[in-house]
Amino acid sequence: AQSVAQPEDQVNVAEGNPLTVKCTYSVSGNPYLFWYVQYPNRGLQFLLKYITGDNLVKGSYGFEAEFNKSQTSFHLKKPSALVSDSALYFCAVRARWASTDKLIFGTGTRLQVFP
Amino acid sequence: GAVVSQHPSWVICKSGTSVKIECRSLDFQATTMFWYRQFPKQSLMLMATSNEGSKATYEQGVEKDKFLINHASLTLSTLTVTSAHPEDSSFYICSAKGAANTGELFFGEGSRLTVL
Repeated sequence: AQSVAQPEDQVNVAEGNPLTVKCTYSVSGNPYLFWYVQYPNRGLQFLLKYITGDNLVKGSYGFEAEFNKSQTSFHLKKPSALVSDSALYFCAVRARWASTDKLIFGTGTRLQVFP
Repeated sequence: GAVVSQHPSWVICKSGTSVKIECRSLDFQATTMFWYRQFPKQSLMLMATSNEGSKATYEQGVEKDKFLINHASLTLSTLTVTSAHPEDSSFYICSAKGAANTGELFFGEGSRLTVL
């Protein structure tokens, strides 16, 4: 069965400092991995994805994530956090072989960036 | 990127009434759409997979007679909450696979349902 774990309910970071939001996954075979961001009372916005190729993926708003197959992780990072990055972040996975396109989401991590 | 529009954004209804939520793909055709439900401070729960021209596939534990899904065209899927009750109050979000089939899903802005 596919699953995603986001071990931190909330991450607090000061503006200007680097941030990391953790994600680990479990899937049979090779994964498709995604990060989405959600602002209050809004839908999800796509940030970035790993399909194949380079393990370091760059996405929107200066975010990046590194696929680590041995650790089955796909942590989201940003070198310098902004107050406007404060939001709810979801990691998602789908098995590459899966017959459906549905994504399995983690429980979400609330990022709070303080001025 | 692909745009998914959801309507209404907010709806308040009386207990026992039915509410319809629309999900449209604006600049692409979506043979498959997904409906999620999100409780406060919780993750997304996949309710069903909506396939154009065929019956929706519901996830375990989701009442198909309660949550009616219709995907009559390549750009429109609807979710009808029938005989709504206060416990159905939630944030409902639809998503669609983009035409390029690059793996990611594109999400609507969500619909907040409050049942009085």
